[in-house]
Amino acid sequence: GIQVEQSPPDLILQEGANSTLRCNFSDSVNNLQWFHQNPWGQLINLFYIPSGTKQNGRLSATTVATERYSLLYISSSQTTDSGVYFCAVGDVKAAGNKLTFGGGTRVLVKP
Amino acid sequence: DGGITQSPKYLFRKEGQNVTLSCEQNLNHDAMYWYRQDPGQGLRLIYYSQIVNDFQKGDIAEGYSVSREKKESFPLTVTSAQKNPTAFYLCASNPGADYGYTFGSGTRLTVV
Repeated sequence: GIQVEQSPPDLILQEGANSTLRCNFSDSVNNLQWFHQNPWGQLINLFYIPSGTKQNGRLSATTVATERYSLLYISSSQTTDSGVYFCAVGDVKAAGNKLTFGGGTRVLVKP
Repeated sequence: DGGITQSPKYLFRKEGQNVTLSCEQNLNHDAMYWYRQDPGQGLRLIYYSQIVNDFQKGDIAEGYSVSREKKESFPLTVTSAQKNPTAFYLCASNPGADYGYTFGSGTRLTVV
């Protein structure tokens, strides 16, 4: 099946700093989503972005499907940005609209 | 407010018992999914359903069963055949292709 690798695995930021998280995938995708998991376990959908660029406030994401990667940018980080960020992809060869998740990037924003 | 409700939040099971985790959505979404998350890991797909009365195995279906008798409900049963059931279980839904997933708040299952 499709493989999803996220980097870095851990990231410590000072409040106000900018950062970039990366997601590499091993095959063609028809679906790519970024999620934030808060310390209580709740997953929030940040972006549905199988290709192109989107922005939502301080967060933006870019997917270059032909080169099999996606980037999530966090600008002016806040302590509430702490948590785990997951990238998840849908394989074009797989039936159903199901997602394969990467291992996540654990982000800690210090005040 | 529309959303996904998972219950209970915490569940303790004795070895050899079956337990059922509830997942209810009022989003009118056709597709529903069950994922398992182990500590420090990503999510793995257990089962999914794209329409009422139909469901498919995911990557780690052994030891689990589901039903989809109503559009709103997709309960997951963790059977005694599941060798290592202690984990965080997450239910999700989406209205179809080209849309993002919505997740419930999860159920933490512990075998005692």
